[in-house]
Amino acid sequence: AQSVTQPDIHITVSEGASLELRCNYSYGATPYLFWYVQSPGQGLQLLLKYFSGDTLVQGIKGFEAEFKRSQSSFNLRKPSVHWSDAAEYFCAVGVGLTGGGNKLTFGTGTQLKVEL
Amino acid sequence: ETGVTQTPRHLVMGMTNKKSLKCEQHLGHNAMYWYKQSAKKPLELMFVYSLEERVENNSVPSRFSPECPNSSHLFLHLHTLQPEDSALYLCASSQEASGGLFAQYFGPGTRLTVT
Repeated sequence: AQSVTQPDIHITVSEGASLELRCNYSYGATPYLFWYVQSPGQGLQLLLKYFSGDTLVQGIKGFEAEFKRSQSSFNLRKPSVHWSDAAEYFCAVGVGLTGGGNKLTFGTGTQLKVEL
Repeated sequence: ETGVTQTPRHLVMGMTNKKSLKCEQHLGHNAMYWYKQSAKKPLELMFVYSLEERVENNSVPSRFSPECPNSSHLFLHLHTLQPEDSALYLCASSQEASGGLFAQYFGPGTRLTVT
């Protein structure tokens, strides 16, 4: 079965500093990987996804992530954090279901705090 | 309306009540999902519907009963809930096609409190 580990529960960065959120996955085949962001009281917003091809993927809001098969990692990065980026970030791995649809397995999330 | 909408946004119910959560997607997708998000726990997949057929029931207690009347609407009927069922319930949708796996798009959630 697939699993996702986000080793950092909380991260604090200063506004304007760079950011890297870690994600490690466990899956036997080529993974479908996602990063989502959740603001308080809101649903999850898709930041970016990796299915195949270029291992560096660009997303919305200036985020990018790099897939490294050898390290089973899919870390999220942003070169300069804005105060509005404060939220909880979730990494997920997806697998297709036999009857249709897909199943996402999420990590426990990383809470990002931005200091002004 | 755009994206995925959920009503109500907040719900307080007693353990003997019956209520329903509603989800509607305006994205033309053909798969819909219910997730439960509890404090300090990972998001848990509850149910998956593809082309209006249930394809996954992730060991969810029978006090939760899903219904998918068409590809745009998904309901979660609740009855005889327990306090530990208090959580944020999220609906999502995706467009599925053979040979591919596509991202899920989430609604804002319903915050459920069971008293």
